[in-house]
Amino acid sequence: AQKITQTQPGMFVQEKEAVTLDCTYDTSDPSYGLFWYKQPSSGEMIFLIYQGSYDQQNATEGRYSLNFQKARKSANLVISASQLGDSAMYFCAMSHVFANNDMRFGAGTRLTVKP
Amino acid sequence: NAGVMQNPRHLVRRRGQEARLRCSPMKGHSHVYWYRQLPEEGLKFMVYLQKENIIDESGMPKERFSAEFPKEGPSILRIQQVVRGDSAAYFCASSQGQALSYNEQFFGPGTRLTVL
Repeated sequence: AQKITQTQPGMFVQEKEAVTLDCTYDTSDPSYGLFWYKQPSSGEMIFLIYQGSYDQQNATEGRYSLNFQKARKSANLVISASQLGDSAMYFCAMSHVFANNDMRFGAGTRLTVKP
Repeated sequence: NAGVMQNPRHLVRRRGQEARLRCSPMKGHSHVYWYRQLPEEGLKFMVYLQKENIIDESGMPKERFSAEFPKEGPSILRIQQVVRGDSAAYFCASSQGQALSYNEQFFGPGTRLTVL
């Protein structure tokens, strides 16, 4: 069974510092994609970053980078130079390349950036 | 290019009434997904549809819930005889379709259903 685990219900970070949000996953399918979404208090889901299981390099998108450790089945999100606007819920998700209908989400981590 | 649209954004129903949630996918997208988010939880997959076809409804409750994506018009998630436990945010997402690489799902703003 596919499973996504986010073990940090809440995290605090000082403004301008970096923070790592943990995500581990479990799947027997070798072809999958890992996603991170941000959900601010307004409720919308904002796509942040994607990592494919066959990608050789860790994904980066601006201040977001994904620390992909395939053998450990972890896909941690690193946010550098935190901003107050980064305060939100963050969800890790996984889907399978040949079965796009089964995106599974973790329980989420609430990040609070302190001024 | 408009994003995924959902309406209404907020819906209040009394127990026993019907709720109809609409989702218009992004232009050019033929795949629609519905997710439910209970308070303080992650999104849970409900159903995956293509035009006129339900591909996977493994996440849908067996009773009272149904979904459709007709040839013309938006996708509809219908909840009959709503109960308080149906109160949640319902998100729709769309994608271009399956390919040999990932298909990003673009999310709508969600419909927040409150059952009194």
